Amino acid sequence: GAVVSQHPSWVICKSGTSVKIECRSLDFQATTMFWYRQFPKQSLMLMATSNEGSKATYEQGVEKDKFLINHASLTLSTLTVTSAHPEDSSFYICSAGPTGGGGYGYTFGSGTRLTVV
Amino acid sequence: GEDVEQSLFLSVREGDSSVINCTYTDSSSTYLYWYKQEPGAGLQLLTYIFSNMDMKQDQRLTVLLNKKDKHLSLRIADTQTGDSAIYFCAERTGTASKLTFGTGTRLQVTL
Repeated sequence: GAVVSQHPSWVICKSGTSVKIECRSLDFQATTMFWYRQFPKQSLMLMATSNEGSKATYEQGVEKDKFLINHASLTLSTLTVTSAHPEDSSFYICSAGPTGGGGYGYTFGSGTRLTVV
Repeated sequence: GEDVEQSLFLSVREGDSSVINCTYTDSSSTYLYWYKQEPGAGLQLLTYIFSNMDMKQDQRLTVLLNKKDKHLSLRIADTQTGDSAIYFCAERTGTASKLTFGTGTRLQVTL
């Protein structure tokens, strides 16, 4: 149980275009979803927290107009990178939960590698 | 503030035990987690421990928590080549739902 599907797994886009990444909880309802960014050989950096039906809470330094997050249903959140530039190239990972049981925490998607050329 | 530190790299021989260490600074941690990340993949939850526990064992994995020193460790018994990955500790504080991740430890298992 507690599967999170993230698509696409990789995407290459041209500079200036927008890219949408989807995160779906397949067998549970996710009231909260988190979006992370990970640079090579580095830890995960939390970008934003989204709760179903409300606006996302962005971490300091993350441009909310550039990284649009929508969490319109209990099973789907999307991250749209608008007007992408090469410096936005990174590995983006979502997590969703809670999956039940106090310590079980949140389940992660398999990540999306974005390359902007 | 929140700060979670790990050593960058650990190399062990197949069959030996691995011990990955983690230190954190926030004394209000409620849960602490260990995640495994293989190349190009998301994070897989390995185990977690509640902050009022000292130890938790789950098959080959043993988690030790020293709350006084704010030190967490993950011991992997009989380490296998399939255990080669990056391991992240993470803490969850108070009623907040977000996690703060450590810097990650790359475990290399040699034959």
